Amino acid sequence: DSGVTQTPKHLITATGQRVTLRCSPRSGDLSVYWYQQSLDQGLQFLIQYYNGEERAKGNILERFSAQQFPDLHSELNLSSLELGDSALYFCASSVGSGAGTDTQYFGPGTRLTVL
Amino acid sequence: LAKTTQPISMDSYEGQEVNITCSHNNIATNDYITWYQQFPSQGPRFIIQGYKTKVTNEVASLFIPADRKSSTLSLPRVSLSDTAVYYCLVGGRDNYGQNFVFGPGTRLSALP
Repeated sequence: DSGVTQTPKHLITATGQRVTLRCSPRSGDLSVYWYQQSLDQGLQFLIQYYNGEERAKGNILERFSAQQFPDLHSELNLSSLELGDSALYFCASSVGSGAGTDTQYFGPGTRLTVL
Repeated sequence: LAKTTQPISMDSYEGQEVNITCSHNNIATNDYITWYQQFPSQGPRFIIQGYKTKVTNEVASLFIPADRKSSTLSLPRVSLSDTAVYYCLVGGRDNYGQNFVFGPGTRLSALP
């Protein structure tokens, strides 16, 4: 158990809908990262927040957005969902800002199925 | 930005040493290399991290040559429970900011 929690575990929804995924980082960690893992794309970095501020942006679609709240938990919002958005979404957290030896610890993931 | 490649799959017999290599030709000066293990439907689990030369912990060793264009994860004595997908992660800052690039993963099958 990494100490990172994600809810819900599974989510089934329809195309065009909007969903919110939630992540609570390990105690003391200031950074939260979001990754998407689909069968044909591997693990793709989406976005990182550090102490409430956006720190890095990867291959995140404009339909997706995230935020980190004052208590450091984070939410990933996915809107206008398409079939291709079906994937495992992982959250990771780390103590620092992500540079150097700052190690990311991953949560168990949320499996999103878009029908 | 560092692009990483790994072998898609490897087989190894129980008790043998297995070496999994990741190529990252465009690695930046500030990038560290981290290896993760992932079981089906679980999140990646940290194994080991390094910058150059050799790093060893209780489960694995990591070899990084002087040019840092590749890294090799070594599992000393494979057991059936090591069957998983292994990913290298190259992360750090480049000219465009901070990014984290996972390799495609190597599926290791431990054979009895």
